[in-house]
Amino acid sequence: GENVGLHLPTLSVQEGDNSIINCAYSNSASDYFIWYKQESGKGPQFIIDIRSNMDKRQGQRVTVLLNKTVKHLSLQIAATQPGDSAVYFCALEADDYKLSFGAGTTVTVRA
Amino acid sequence: EPEVTQTPSHQVTQMGQEVILRCVPISNHLYFYWYRQILGQKVEFLVSFYNNEISEKSEIFDDQFSVERPDGSNFTLKIRSTKLEDSAMYFCASKGGGGYTFGSGTRLTVV
Repeated sequence: GENVGLHLPTLSVQEGDNSIINCAYSNSASDYFIWYKQESGKGPQFIIDIRSNMDKRQGQRVTVLLNKTVKHLSLQIAATQPGDSAVYFCALEADDYKLSFGAGTTVTVRA
Repeated sequence: EPEVTQTPSHQVTQMGQEVILRCVPISNHLYFYWYRQILGQKVEFLVSFYNNEISEKSEIFDDQFSVERPDGSNFTLKIRSTKLEDSAMYFCASKGGGGYTFGSGTRLTVV
């Protein structure tokens, strides 16, 4: 099966600072990558996605970077706010039309 | 914005009892999924469903599990004889042109 991992299980960040969350994967056939945010008791909420033909994509306050050479994905959150406190998962899809999830990074924003 | 709706939000059942978890996917989506998340762990794939049949299932999805799309709108997950280790959040998802959408989940507690 796919190995999808995150480098750090927890991240504590000062409000207003930038956050970087990382994810490594093993399947080079992966071609669609998604970052999800999960708040307590809720389902995964889509943040941003990127396909394998791109290496960077930007949204509102979020940027996803994809390095296919080293099979690494990152999520950058600019000016982190208290509402950004949650668990963040990377997920990827290969040629099998299903998502494989990483283990999750718990982000805590300090006021 | 279209949503995936899951009911109930919380289900408590006795070990050995049957449970049915219900989902209403987004109406024009063609792929349907069940995922499971044990407390504090990552989201795990259970089963995918396309064209009225299972397209893939994981090792977790043994003979105690079944899925149905009985009426063209509902998508159900049945666990025939629940075990303590089936306690988890169960997420339904559907996939269309815009990507994956997850429901808010059903928290299943087996006692």
